[in-house]
Amino acid sequence: GAVVSQHPSWVICKSGTSVKIECRSLDFQATTMFWYRQFPKQSLMLMATSNEGSKATYEQGVEKDKFLINHASLTLSTLTVTSAHPEDSSFYICSANPGGTQYFGPGTRLLVL
Amino acid sequence: AQSVTQLGSHVSVSEGALVLLRCNYSSSVPPYLFWYVQYPNQGLQLLLKYTSAATLVKGINGFEAEFKKSETSFHLTKPSAHMSDAAEYFCAVSDGANFGNEKLTFGTGTRLTIIP
Repeated sequence: GAVVSQHPSWVICKSGTSVKIECRSLDFQATTMFWYRQFPKQSLMLMATSNEGSKATYEQGVEKDKFLINHASLTLSTLTVTSAHPEDSSFYICSANPGGTQYFGPGTRLLVL
Repeated sequence: AQSVTQLGSHVSVSEGALVLLRCNYSSSVPPYLFWYVQYPNQGLQLLLKYTSAATLVKGINGFEAEFKKSETSFHLTKPSAHMSDAAEYFCAVSDGANFGNEKLTFGTGTRLTIIP
């Protein structure tokens, strides 16, 4: 199957700082990528759809100014959590579709102190 | 709108016993259906998918699922559980309108525990 990577795999930061998470498609090009958030022992909730060369589409209730998404190339999308707070601590997972099926990255665990 | 209901947030089976994880969906259009597995602190791995071809779908690790339109179900089964099957399982649905670039809607997940 297709390979999607994420970096970093985990990050700890202080409250008020910004954190950038990268999502890369390693062996295919992705015009669309998806960002999910997963709280402990819960399901994945779609945050936004990242579109190469255009603005991301955010789900209802997701603050676009807080969760900045940039999809500058066909293999890279980034999610920046701005002015992070403890309630932003979560597991962030991205996915991409090389044709018919979404493949997921390994996830990034964010802990905001 | 589409939705998925997974019955049973926790399922425990003995090693070697049948695994049955239930998933019911709601969709106004012919659905695409998926089962994913998630091991602790990892992303999701695709087990199998249904995309309007054969109703009985075989996946990896000995899992299979059957699409039953009349019951709006897509239950996941495995004849004989193995200790390595212990994980969280998610059922998901999409409308397939954009051949994969559409949004997935996930169920709440079922945690499978294998009893030695």
